[in-house]
Amino acid sequence: AQSVTQPDIHITVSEGASLELRCNYSYGATPYLFWYVQSPGQGLQLLLKYFSGDTLVQGIKGFEAEFKRSQSSFNLRKPSVHWSDAAEYFCAVGAGLSGGYNKLIFGAGTRLAVHP
Amino acid sequence: EAGVAQSPRYKIIEKRQSVAFWCNPISGHATLYWYQQILGQGPKLLIQFQNNGVVDDSQLPKDRFSAERLKGVDSTLKIQPAKLEDSAVYLCASSATGNSNQPQHFGDGTRLSIL
Repeated sequence: AQSVTQPDIHITVSEGASLELRCNYSYGATPYLFWYVQSPGQGLQLLLKYFSGDTLVQGIKGFEAEFKRSQSSFNLRKPSVHWSDAAEYFCAVGAGLSGGYNKLIFGAGTRLAVHP
Repeated sequence: EAGVAQSPRYKIIEKRQSVAFWCNPISGHATLYWYQQILGQGPKLLIQFQNNGVVDDSQLPKDRFSAERLKGVDSTLKIQPAKLEDSAVYLCASSATGNSNQPQHFGDGTRLSIL
């Protein structure tokens, strides 16, 4: 069965420091992979997605992620964190449904705190 | 463009009562999703509509949860009767199609507390 694991429940970094959030997936075929961000009391916003091709994908707000098939990973990175990046981050894999549709399976999330 | 609208934002009820949530997706979006997000967990898909038809409801507890999208636009999700474990945020999302190359746009959710 498809699944997503985010090993880090909570991460704290200093403003200006680099960031890497880990994501491991389990999926039989070539996965569709996503990172979403959720600020308190709000819905989820798409940061970036991977379907195929270049394994390093760029997203909004200066984020990037790298797909590594051999490690079943899709880690999210940012070279310099801003205080406004404090939020919860979710990794997701797109699983196929009948009729050509897809649904998202989310990890449990990583809560990011940023120290000034 | 206007985003996904959900109401109410908050709801507090006692167990065994009923409750309904409403969602209006982005105009023209064919696919509508309802997710349940329990505190400390990622969103879990409850039901996915394509226009007014159900694509997937495999994780919807059908003995107490129901959802409809009669005209293929807005949707309601109902819980009857509610249990304590239903306390969660209920998120609605929509996408232009049901394919993964189309991003899902999320509403701000309804936070449900069961007493």
